[in-house]
Amino acid sequence: TQLLEQSPQFLSIQEGENLTVYCNSSSVFSSLQWYRQEPGEGPVLLVTVVTGGEVKKLKRLTFQFGDARKDSSLHITAAQTGDTGLYLCAGRRYGGSQGNLIFGKGTKLSVKP
Amino acid sequence: DAGVTQSPTHLIKTRGQQVTLRCSPKSGHDTVSWYQQALGQGPQFIFQYYEEEERQRGNFPDRFSGHQFPNYSSELNVNALLLGDSALYLCASSLRSGAGNQPQHFGDGTRLSIL
Repeated sequence: TQLLEQSPQFLSIQEGENLTVYCNSSSVFSSLQWYRQEPGEGPVLLVTVVTGGEVKKLKRLTFQFGDARKDSSLHITAAQTGDTGLYLCAGRRYGGSQGNLIFGKGTKLSVKP
Repeated sequence: DAGVTQSPTHLIKTRGQQVTLRCSPKSGHDTVSWYQQALGQGPQFIFQYYEEEERQRGNFPDRFSGHQFPNYSSELNVNALLLGDSALYLCASSLRSGAGNQPQHFGDGTRLSIL
């Protein structure tokens, strides 16, 4: 059983479209992180959300942490081909160490010109 | 300022062999974590090293062991390799002190293939 469920698993859109990907769990997390991973590379941290209901913006990317700290979403406005990649959410449980992140399987995004 | 570096980048082994993967953390970081990422999956936590000791461990068998050196670099050893050990092995470093949500910086991984 996957502790963090990401949806959709795959997403193919045209440049300029908007999209939202989701990260859901039945467990509560002290914080949640979003990473982007490109082929042949390691994950790169995009954002950390800590407070329930928190919204963070990073240029065209908007991240939200659910009020109950069990879920999160990533919204991309006017997607660009450079947004293509694997988007991973990772949660840290209460009492968990810095290293023990629980990852979802990821959403593979393809943005076509 | 060098980030996390891992070596080798690719490795091919056969079943039953042993392998050692290496990681140098980002400058200033003292904590190293190892993850296994199978094809189509997210990374899974193997273990974490701080002050040359294993501090936390995920759900991996004893065939997976590690070491951290005084300069904070780390090794991951896997014995009696199985076909299912084929994966991308990621090293992540962070600074243990300070707030709990210190960001982790990942290396580009070692792609291990078992034949």
